[in-house]
Amino acid sequence: EVQLVESGGGLVKPGGSLRLSCAVSGFTFSNAWMSWVRQAPGKGLDWVGRIKSKTDGGTTDYAAPVKGRFTITRDDSRKTLYLQMSSLKTEDTAVYFCSTDDPINRHWGRGTLVTVSS
Amino acid sequence: NFMLTQPHSVSESPGKTVTISCTGSSGSIASSYVQWHQQRPGRAPTTVIYENNQRPSGVPDRFSGSIDSSSNSASLTISGLKTEDEADYYCQSYDISNQVFGGGTKLTVL
Repeated sequence: EVQLVESGGGLVKPGGSLRLSCAVSGFTFSNAWMSWVRQAPGKGLDWVGRIKSKTDGGTTDYAAPVKGRFTITRDDSRKTLYLQMSSLKTEDTAVYFCSTDDPINRHWGRGTLVTVSS
Repeated sequence: NFMLTQPHSVSESPGKTVTISCTGSSGSIASSYVQWHQQRPGRAPTTVIYENNQRPSGVPDRFSGSIDSSSNSASLTISGLKTEDEADYYCQSYDISNQVFGGGTKLTVL
């Protein structure tokens, strides 16, 4: 069974940093392109960014609102995806989902809530 | 920036058919695949259509997708509506290397 479990969310002050993790099982993580998607309270889905598999270069792409502040990395040995967030703003408050990037077989985690507030 | 526009909400009765549209802001929506994701309240999204009109395993054939190049739009059609279909539906496509989501459509089955 495919599972993606996010963790690391919480309350952080504006300007602060936070690292989210996404532990996966049930598929070959090292071959997977992975994305982070967020959802502000009562709002729609917003793509945050993606990391390719190492065999495909391991490169990253980011949405404009987070570029330069957020960094996606992966540890294939630990089957874990990370989202390092810095210079956080109140508008970054959202549930953050990790997901596989394969459109044919896209799996999602349940999300972790990040609240940016003073 | 490429954007996808969806109606805010639609409603229909059980057993009927509903269609949700997703209109591209520029270029040709047919140039990249469109996916449709269902999100029930408090739950993670699940994909109901991928690559414009393909259903993942386990998704009933009541769900179908299509592309209309003349209107630069994609559509999700759900036939034989059930109360369990009540959810938010998001179209999603690509802008070069980035993913783009529509604003979502709340489907009410009443």
